Amino acid sequence: GQQVMQIPQYQHVQEGEDFTTYCNSSTTLSNIQWYKQRPGGHPVFLIQLVKSGEVKKQKRLTFQFGEAKKNSSLHITATQTTDVGTYFCASYDYKLSFGAGTTVTVRA
Amino acid sequence: KAGVTQTPRYLIKTRGQQVTLSCSPISGHRSVSWYQQTPGQGLQFLFEYFSETQRNKGNFPGRFSGRQFSNSRSEMNVSTLELGDSALYLCASSLVKAMNTEAFFGQGTRLTVV
Repeated sequence: GQQVMQIPQYQHVQEGEDFTTYCNSSTTLSNIQWYKQRPGGHPVFLIQLVKSGEVKKQKRLTFQFGEAKKNSSLHITATQTTDVGTYFCASYDYKLSFGAGTTVTVRA
Repeated sequence: KAGVTQTPRYLIKTRGQQVTLSCSPISGHRSVSWYQQTPGQGLQFLFEYFSETQRNKGNFPGRFSGRQFSNSRSEMNVSTLELGDSALYLCASSLVKAMNTEAFFGQGTRLTVV
């Protein structure tokens, strides 16, 4: 199956700053999905990327799929306290395989 | 429309016991998958059902089993519970077969084995 590695594991961000989390694979991915899990909550779907080089934006969130379809990134601008949580990337290959996640904390 | 419903939300069981967890997918969704989430191992795939058939299974021992009913509701069973089975068990449903589109997760069942 397709394995995805996420870095960093933890991200401590000052409110108002930007940050990026990365998802990497040694194999070509058919697609990449991103989920957010708030503390005590369940994963919530954010977006799916399918095409090589695809870029999608959701307000302050920018998602990118690499040209070789082996990596993806999530960039958040002007971080807010509502961005706290764990962000997972996941790839589908007969099952959804999740990365370990990046846990984001925000300093007000 | 109603989301994915998992029952119960919390369970405490003793080692050696068995447990059954239930998942009701979003109406119209026929694909249901189960995941185990622990701090150390993250989100691990257990199995996936579509139209009452198990399509895929993760690397878990045979103590973990599941089924899906004709109304798409799914149950998972864990027999001979071990302390290491303590985890958040998440169910996810999808409109189409096998999760290559958006997956909707339930709130999960928090299982504690003592």
